[in-house]
Amino acid sequence: GEDVEQSLFLSVREGDSSVINCTYTDSSSTYLYWYKQEPGAGLQLLTYIFSNMDMKQDQRLTVLLNKKDKHLSLRIADTQTGDSAIYFCAETPGSGNTGKLIFGQGTTLQVKP
Amino acid sequence: GAVVSQHPSWVICKSGTSVKIECRSLDFQATTMFWYRQFPKQSLMLMATSNEGSKATYEQGVEKDKFLINHASLTLSTLTVTSAHPEDSSFYICSARRALRGGLRDEQYFGPGTRLTVT
Repeated sequence: GEDVEQSLFLSVREGDSSVINCTYTDSSSTYLYWYKQEPGAGLQLLTYIFSNMDMKQDQRLTVLLNKKDKHLSLRIADTQTGDSAIYFCAETPGSGNTGKLIFGQGTTLQVKP
Repeated sequence: GAVVSQHPSWVICKSGTSVKIECRSLDFQATTMFWYRQFPKQSLMLMATSNEGSKATYEQGVEKDKFLINHASLTLSTLTVTSAHPEDSSFYICSARRALRGGLRDEQYFGPGTRLTVT
């Protein structure tokens, strides 16, 4: 079945890099996403990667995809206190275009000054 | 960027009453909207897919008679929690799907969520 797993918590110091990891089970996923959720708010799309790509960089964000291992990571360079939030990875299961998203449990990122 | 609003942002209701939550896409038309439920410190669980002009598709385990979804227009979907009970207390988030040009990919934009507390 469809399943997305993430580690639950990560703590880093301001200025360090953060790496948030995610594994998924559906090898036919077309797109994989990273969303950010601040307390009491909805989700903000940070970035996405198409399944035939290995890496995507967008300013401070770098997404790495290892399709063989079904492993996705999000690296945040020069992490700031404003990056403290919950980060969700999500996949679009199957090759169909239903728009359905399956989310991981979310990783709480704590950035210490 | 695309904006999705939800109303109300929070609501407290008594057990046994019904509550309606609205989800609007403000600057684009959304043929599909999704309703999610999120418990504290947990992930988002998809409840149903709402297509404009047709019946919603519910995920397994979601009671369609309890969570009524109406997608009356391309910019509005509503979720009504009927005969609410304390276990229905949760954070309800909607998202609206917007097709991108070229049909290569679409994007989902999320509303800010509605906190429902049933007493």
